[in-house]
Order: sequence, then structure tokens, then C-alpha cells
Amino acid sequence: GQNIDQPTEMTATEGAIVQINCTYQTSGFNGLFWYQQHAGEAPTFLSYNVLDGLEEKGRFSSFLSRSKGYSYLLLKELQMKDSASYLCAVGDSNYQLIWGAGTKLIIKP
Amino acid sequence: TAGITQAPTSQILAAGRSMTLRCTQDMRHNAMYWYRQDLGLGLRLIHYSNTAGTTGKGEVPDGYSVSRANTDDFPLTLASAVPSQTSVYFCASSDSTGETGELFFGEGSRLTVL
Repeated sequence: GQNIDQPTEMTATEGAIVQINCTYQTSGFNGLFWYQQHAGEAPTFLSYNVLDGLEEKGRFSSFLSRSKGYSYLLLKELQMKDSASYLCAVGDSNYQLIWGAGTKLIIKP
Repeated sequence: TAGITQAPTSQILAAGRSMTLRCTQDMRHNAMYWYRQDLGLGLRLIHYSNTAGTTGKGEVPDGYSVSRANTDDFPLTLASAVPSQTSVYFCASSDSTGETGELFFGEGSRLTVL
């Protein structure tokens, strides 16, 4: 079967760095996405990886290793507003997304 | 800019009643999607439409129907609601065919079926 695994919850301190991991097993691969979802709000697009390596976008970076079925989202200089759930999703061979359950990130002062 | 608008924001519905969740986008995106989000589970695709006039079934289509009469509107209908359909429903759109383009989501419709 197809599945996406990511930690349920993580806690970090304001100003610090946190890495949220995502491992996947899918039939085929057509890109890996990270979305941010604040409580009670809609998911919003953060990043997209289709080739191995690191994609950097401001304080956020996303890494992909296709051979290992692994990605991480790195958040630097954490701010209180980064408290949210982070959703990992992978495109399968039919170009449909398989979604992880999300990682709830709690930022403490 | 409106983007995607969903209505209603929340609704309590008696089991057995019908309900239509509305979704309208102003981005002229070809592809539109309906997902449900339940605690502890990833987003699950209910139905999708790659272009006006066409629709397809997603992972969990049973009990739901959709139509796509034009580019902007993609309503989701529950013909006879059951408690297991209690969920938060998100409409999304993309300018790419297939979900592997950036998705733009509406604010969600919280449905409680009693």
C-alpha cells in the first residue's frame, strides 16, 4: 500500500531550528510537497521537491532523497507564528497526492 | 483577491438530510478538488474535476456527488447524510491537471451530522 509517515507532534523553542521528517512509500513518484496549516485554516503551499537535494526559501528549506523515500522540512529562526501543522504529500504514478496526517509544531517562548 | 470561496463555513445537519457545499473560484483554474480532513488522518480526496464538464472519483467518493457545469463552480452534494460524514471539507483548485501542481484551498466547511 501507499503511505506517508511523519511525526504527530513536535515542540521547539522560539528562535531555534526544527526539522520535520517525512518518509514515504508510494507507487511511483511525481514530486513531494509541504503545506502549512494553521489551526482552523486552509492549508497553504510551502515547497515542492522533485529532484534530490535541498530547496531553500527564506527561513524554510526542504530536502528530498528519492532513493531513501525521505524528505525533511527545516525551519530556521522559529517564530511564534510558525506554530501550525505541516503536511507532507507525495504525488504517485497517477499524479494523485498521498497525504500524511501532518505534524503539529508547537513553538514555546 | 477572493481565490476560493466555500459556503457554508459550518453546518449542523440531521442524518438522512441532503446538503450541498458550495465552492467557487475566481482564478480560472481548470482543476478543482474536494477533500475531507479528519483528525489523525491525511487529507482524503473525494471527487475531482480536471476541467469543466468532467468529474472523477477520488479515494472516498461514496455518499458524495459533484458537478462541474462551468470553470468557477464545483459543488459537493451529500444526498443522505450519515454521521461518518462529519468532517471538515476543503475545496481546492490548481492550474495544473492532476494534483501535483500547487493547490489553492478554500477556508473549509465544517459539517456535523447528528
